[in-house]
Amino acid sequence: NAGVMQNPRHLVRRRGQEARLRCSPMKGHSHVYWYRQLPEEGLKFMVYLQKENIIDESGMPKERFSAEFPKEGPSILRIQQVVRGDSAAYFCASSPLGSHKGEKLFFGSGTQLSVL
Amino acid sequence: ELKVEQNPLFLSMQEGKNYTIYCNYSTTSDRLYWYRQDPGKSLESLFVLLSNGAVKQEGRLMASLDTKARLSTLHITAAVHDLSATYFCAVDDFIGDDKIIFGKGTRLHILP
Repeated sequence: NAGVMQNPRHLVRRRGQEARLRCSPMKGHSHVYWYRQLPEEGLKFMVYLQKENIIDESGMPKERFSAEFPKEGPSILRIQQVVRGDSAAYFCASSPLGSHKGEKLFFGSGTQLSVL
Repeated sequence: ELKVEQNPLFLSMQEGKNYTIYCNYSTTSDRLYWYRQDPGKSLESLFVLLSNGAVKQEGRLMASLDTKARLSTLHITAAVHDLSATYFCAVDDFIGDDKIIFGKGTRLHILP
């Protein structure tokens, strides 16, 4: 059973371009979480999704950022018109039934976004 | 809004010593998690604590949860260099759609 797969591992964008980060949860997992981590800092919650639904996006900036988790395919975190401040590591995590069932999260290896 | 605070944020200690990392959270929850992150790597689950008084142990690490005090501890016994990492606690936000909120992490450096 493959783990949580994130790609790309590293992504370089120029200011104003779009960044698309992909996350394939573990097989059988229908809950996906996205977090952002700045150097020497903790993980900041961004968005929590189930298949085809956004459960909580309270941690995501209202502009330029969007996330989806379609019925088929990976979850996508999309950042439009990137700025230097978007440079960070973005981690995706998944769980089978969600944290309300007391289940731990399984994390991907992260995508390091660098904005030039 | 749920806040999760860890202390200390940085800890340098000698091998063989004992120490405790504290995790306080601001709203009601009885689901708390501890994770480990090595530099440049992803996060690995250590413990899941699901009730008041829960205690879990794995090797030199022991975690406990006091939901009344909204406090969890991660105790390190006779530290060894391999335990050097950043340790995060995370809490299930009952009020906020069950999203998981992380503390800032405790960066632990164990000197040989």
